[in-house]
Amino acid sequence: DSGVTQTPKHLITATGQRVTLRCSPRSGDLSVYWYQQSLDQGLQFLIQYYNGEERAKGNILERFSAQQFPDLHSELNLSSLELGDSALYFCASSVGWGYSYEQYFGPGTRLTVT
Amino acid sequence: TQLLEQSPQFLSIQEGENLTVYCNSSSVFSSLQWYRQEPGEGPVLLVTVVTGGEVKKLKRLTFQFGDARKDSSLHITAAQPGDTGLYLCAGGRDSGTYKYIFGTGTRLKVLA
Repeated sequence: DSGVTQTPKHLITATGQRVTLRCSPRSGDLSVYWYQQSLDQGLQFLIQYYNGEERAKGNILERFSAQQFPDLHSELNLSSLELGDSALYFCASSVGWGYSYEQYFGPGTRLTVT
Repeated sequence: TQLLEQSPQFLSIQEGENLTVYCNSSSVFSSLQWYRQEPGEGPVLLVTVVTGGEVKKLKRLTFQFGDARKDSSLHITAAQPGDTGLYLCAGGRDSGTYKYIFGTGTRLKVLA
């Protein structure tokens, strides 16, 4: 158990819909990362927040957005969903925001778009 | 664009054999991490290397960061069935779109 929690574990929705994925970081961690893992693209970095502020952005689509709240939990919002958005979405957390800090991954949310 | 290529992509070996997994890039990274991921779970960090030429050992696992910080290797001695899983390398940079890049992955199966 990494200490990072993600909800829900599974999500099935239709194309065009909007969903929100939630992540609670490990106690004491200020940085939260979001990743997407699909069979054809592997694990892709989406976005990072540190203490409520955006620190780094990866190949995140404009239809996707995220935020980190004062209690440090984070939400990833996915809108106008397409079939290709079906994937595992992981949240990770670390103490700091730099590249060398160890990231601890949650169990993931499996999103299926039908 | 995939900046970190891992080889081999798949590996099936007998218990007790040795193996090496490679992680290569044409780009320089500030740090390199290795993770192991099991089906339905998130990746679990094994090691972080930050200095060119650095070698770290974790029981039967030996990790090396290339001198130029563009490549890394993971060597497993006397593999056990419990080593089975997806091994991912991940490169870190100071900033930018490619701040965190994960490799293509090596799927290892160790047969008893």
